[in-house]
Amino acid sequence: DTGVSQDPRHKITKRGQNVTFRCDPISEHNRLYWYRQTLGQGPEFLTYFQNEAQLEKSRLLSDRFSAERPKGSFSTLEIQRTEQGDSAMYLCASSPLAGGGTDTQYFGPGTRLTVL
Amino acid sequence: ELKVEQNPLFLSMQEGKNYTIYCNYSTTSDRLYWYRQDPGKSLESLFVLLSNGAVKQEGRLMASLDTKARLSTLHITAAVHDLSATYFCAVGAGSYQLTFGKGTKLSVIP
Repeated sequence: DTGVSQDPRHKITKRGQNVTFRCDPISEHNRLYWYRQTLGQGPEFLTYFQNEAQLEKSRLLSDRFSAERPKGSFSTLEIQRTEQGDSAMYLCASSPLAGGGTDTQYFGPGTRLTVL
Repeated sequence: ELKVEQNPLFLSMQEGKNYTIYCNYSTTSDRLYWYRQDPGKSLESLFVLLSNGAVKQEGRLMASLDTKARLSTLHITAAVHDLSATYFCAVGAGSYQLTFGKGTKLSVIP
């Protein structure tokens, strides 16, 4: 399977704990995105990487959230001091590097976070 | 701020019928995408529309884009049960992030 993969698929944690999610993009894709989706809503953009550089961050990404893509391959999203409002599906997507930013973003299966 | 509105949000239709989902967006866009999401699953890309008047078709689904009206439509022809899913439109405008609508939950009833 050469699609976007995410790990873990499900995470249950207690309020106040830290959690980290991993995303492995499609191998030839230079661009990587994180989105958050809550029940009954469309995905909301969190952040974007081109290779290892984090080029865009949403205001949704509070200081408790940090994302990295150290070698331009896989990415991690960490949430510190989780709150119940962080419960959501966290989606990773990737797209190839090409002119115009018109490329389709391919989504992974997501990590479902439940904060108790 | 870019806003994307879809309607209807819920659609129940009989097999064999035709229907259209609408996606309006608030600012100039350079690309529009349609995605499908099955329950508990991730998003599957259906169409990319890049220019005014663009029309794309795959099976019973056809998508079109009118950039002057800031409107895209997803037309369903002779619906079948397998098309039951949530359909999202997503708009890109000047950056790499996409802004999604709330989705249209489609139920096709035998």
